[in-house]
Amino acid sequence: LAKTTQPISMDSYEGQEVNITCSHNNIATNDYITWYQQFPSQGPRFIIQGYKTKVTNEVASLFIPADRKSSTLSLPRVSLSDTAVYYCLVGFQKLVFGTGTRLLVSP
Amino acid sequence: DGGITQSPKYLFRKEGQNVTLSCEQNLNHDAMYWYRQDPGQGLRLIYYSQIVNDFQKGDIAEGYSVSREKKESFPLTVTSAQKNPTAFYLCASSIKQGSGNQPQHFGDGTRLSIL
Repeated sequence: LAKTTQPISMDSYEGQEVNITCSHNNIATNDYITWYQQFPSQGPRFIIQGYKTKVTNEVASLFIPADRKSSTLSLPRVSLSDTAVYYCLVGFQKLVFGTGTRLLVSP
Repeated sequence: DGGITQSPKYLFRKEGQNVTLSCEQNLNHDAMYWYRQDPGQGLRLIYYSQIVNDFQKGDIAEGYSVSREKKESFPLTVTSAQKNPTAFYLCASSIKQGSGNQPQHFGDGTRLSIL
């Protein structure tokens, strides 16, 4: 299983762009890269998923370089409600959740 | 509105008792999963099921049991053999297991505490 490494925590301010990078050096050919968001006492919520290059949806962008050994989740213009834990997952048959990145957005 | 329903939201258990956590989904998903989350930690896979009447152990199955008699239901029993059951339990489903591009959808969890 591909292991992921993310920063334990990040701080930002409202209105800023936040980029969270995840390393996954042993990603397999079939693996997809998926990001989830989790608020306290709630289940994780799917944010975005990609295989290569760039993916964008209404809430985030996901940048994946050609070697796929890392990925960056970009949250444009964060608000206080974006304070949460963000998980990067890599896998196909089975997903492994690490400890995630705790993002704190301040006024 | 489609989704995953976990009940109850909070559950208390006396030591030595078995307790069953409910998970129901109306998304018509084939695969279902149970995870355990401890404070400040990520999720760890307990059991998963790819299809009715079939299930597989995850990374921390000891002290837990499951059944999958219906497509929409995947109850988890925490037995007295589980020495440290206090945790936040999350149920998830996906269109089918092994489809890496099909994200998992999660319920809002059950918090189990020992009295």
